[in-house]
Amino acid sequence: AQTVTQSQPEMSVQEAETVTLSCTYDTSENNYYLFWYKQPPSRQMILVIRQEAYKQQNATENRFSVNFQKAAKSFSLKISDSQLGDTAMYFCAFMKLGGNQFYFGTGTSLTVIP
Amino acid sequence: GAVVSQHPSRVICKSGTSVKIECRSLDFQATTMFWYRQFPKQSLMLMATSNEGSKATYEQGVEKDKFLINHASLTLSTLTVTSAHPEDSSFYICSARSTFRGYQETQYFGPGTRLLVL
Repeated sequence: AQTVTQSQPEMSVQEAETVTLSCTYDTSENNYYLFWYKQPPSRQMILVIRQEAYKQQNATENRFSVNFQKAAKSFSLKISDSQLGDTAMYFCAFMKLGGNQFYFGTGTSLTVIP
Repeated sequence: GAVVSQHPSRVICKSGTSVKIECRSLDFQATTMFWYRQFPKQSLMLMATSNEGSKATYEQGVEKDKFLINHASLTLSTLTVTSAHPEDSSFYICSARSTFRGYQETQYFGPGTRLLVL
């Protein structure tokens, strides 16, 4: 079974600063996908970034980047130049290659302080 | 692209009635859709996986006779909460698995439906 752990229930960051959200996972699979989703107060789940495990290069989407450490089973999300609109719940998710089900972490509530 | 809609966004019903929630993929075909339930300040809990043209696969502990799922077309899945009770009050979210090349593993989520059973 796969498990996803987000050890930071709540975090805050000053506007324009950088923040890193941690995510670790446990799996015996070698090929899989990892995701970060954002859930703002509207509760709409929004895909932030995705990473294929077979790719060593860390994924980047504008101000969002990941630090994927496969051996350590770590998948942290870095948000640069934080904006007020980044305030949201962030969920890390895992899916094995060929699978269907997402395994979600418990989430990190991020508040960007003006 | 990859827009998923859900209707209604909010519903209040009396105990004992049935409520239907629709989930539509607007700009892509989704052979697989998922239904989640989310309690306040908690993560998403997968209820069932819905495959077009076949029976849904329910997670352990989810009553299939209470939460009826129908996936009759490649763009529509419905969740019917039958004989709803106050404990069924929750936030229900659907997602659709992408069919876009290179993104087939990604799930795109609807905006959710808040159900309140009085």
